[in-house]
Amino acid sequence: DSGVTQTPKHLITATGQRVTLRCSPRSGDLSVYWYQQSLDQGLQFLIQYYNGEERAKGNILERFSAQQFPDLHSELNLSSLELGDSALYFCASSATGFPGASGPYEQYFGPGTRLTVT
Amino acid sequence: GENVEQHPSTLSVQEGDSAVIKCTYSDSASNYFPWYKQELGKRPQLIIDIRSNVGEKKDQRIAVTLNKTAKHFSLHITETQPEDSAVYFCLLGAGGTSYGKLTFGQGTILTVHP
Repeated sequence: DSGVTQTPKHLITATGQRVTLRCSPRSGDLSVYWYQQSLDQGLQFLIQYYNGEERAKGNILERFSAQQFPDLHSELNLSSLELGDSALYFCASSATGFPGASGPYEQYFGPGTRLTVT
Repeated sequence: GENVEQHPSTLSVQEGDSAVIKCTYSDSASNYFPWYKQELGKRPQLIIDIRSNVGEKKDQRIAVTLNKTAKHFSLHITETQPEDSAVYFCLLGAGGTSYGKLTFGQGTILTVHP
């Protein structure tokens, strides 16, 4: 158990709908990352937050958004869902948010949320 | 964005053999090089990492080597065991104007035959 929790575990919804995925980082970690894993795209970095602020952005679609709250949990919102959005969504956390920092930058992954769009 | 090439895509070895997986990158500003192992249906787990001021790091049967001049880093697994069978990913953080953007390698499916 990495200490990172994600809810829900599974989500089945229809095209055009909107869903929210939730992530709680390990105790003490300030940074949260979101990834999408699909069979054809592999693991894709979506976005990173550090202490409530957006830190880095990857290949995140405009239909997707995220935020990190004062208690450091994060939510990923996916809207106008398409069949191609079906994937495993992972959240990860790390103590620091900067690979160049002297502190721990290791990322610990949550169990993931499997999203199925029908 | 950062370009990362991971090879091979699949690797099949006999138990006890060594396995080597390599990632080549283009951003010379990258300074942190981790490797993750993902078993079927499970989350990626960090198995070893290295920073740019070090050329090699070992942890029991696992080692990572870094060649910053040639811009590649490799995962070495010695005395492989069936439980090493999994998908292995390298991860790279971009520097420069794309600072913080993370890119995973394409993954290597390692199969260790008993």
